[in-house]
Amino acid sequence: KAGVTQTPRYLIKTRGQQVTLSCSPISGHRSVSWYQQTPGQGLQFLFEYFSETQRNKGNFPGRFSGRQFSNSRSEMNVSTLELGDSALYLCASSGGTIGYNEQFFGPGTRLTVL
Amino acid sequence: QKEVEQDPGPLSVPEGAIVSLNCTYSNSAFQYFMWYRQYSRKGPELLMYTYSSGNKEDGRFTAQVDKSSKYISLFIRDSQPSDSATYLCAMSVNYGGSQGNLIFGKGTKLSVKP
Repeated sequence: KAGVTQTPRYLIKTRGQQVTLSCSPISGHRSVSWYQQTPGQGLQFLFEYFSETQRNKGNFPGRFSGRQFSNSRSEMNVSTLELGDSALYLCASSGGTIGYNEQFFGPGTRLTVL
Repeated sequence: QKEVEQDPGPLSVPEGAIVSLNCTYSNSAFQYFMWYRQYSRKGPELLMYTYSSGNKEDGRFTAQVDKSSKYISLFIRDSQPSDSATYLCAMSVNYGGSQGNLIFGKGTKLSVKP
């Protein structure tokens, strides 16, 4: 079974620009969660999508948004980039059903904002 | 006070040593406790998962949860150089259904010297 894939793996942008990151979950998984990882704050939850609906949201400004398509693939968008948005963005997929569901992480997209 | 505290290390041990990694937390509503391992330039991978209090063993790894003290531990026996990675604890309130919103510690960087 193929794992979680994220594209692109690396991205360099300048302040004020916007960026879109993509995540393809494991086949059959309906839940996709996004996390931001920085040296200072660690791993922080951004949001979770399940069956094309946002089911859970972390404490990030509205510049961070996401969506999920009918094939469970997900994208996240960051508008008006700030230097502090430089981070590793991780996506995780899971079955999303009741009970324990392991989250499988992708390799991440390394975003650098100059 | 952060919801989850974890000593960032770094922790350096000789091969064969027993490693003890710990996290404390403040939210008594946490029910699910996980340990992830993250190698450089990779996404986190789940090592151990525990529901509520108690111990769980898997090969060289043992996870302990003490909810009365709000303290969790991961023990690695007979540590190997391949165990060198960052270890992240993670917790959540309700794992059923909604998969997101794992609260992570900042991770402990472990180095096992041959």
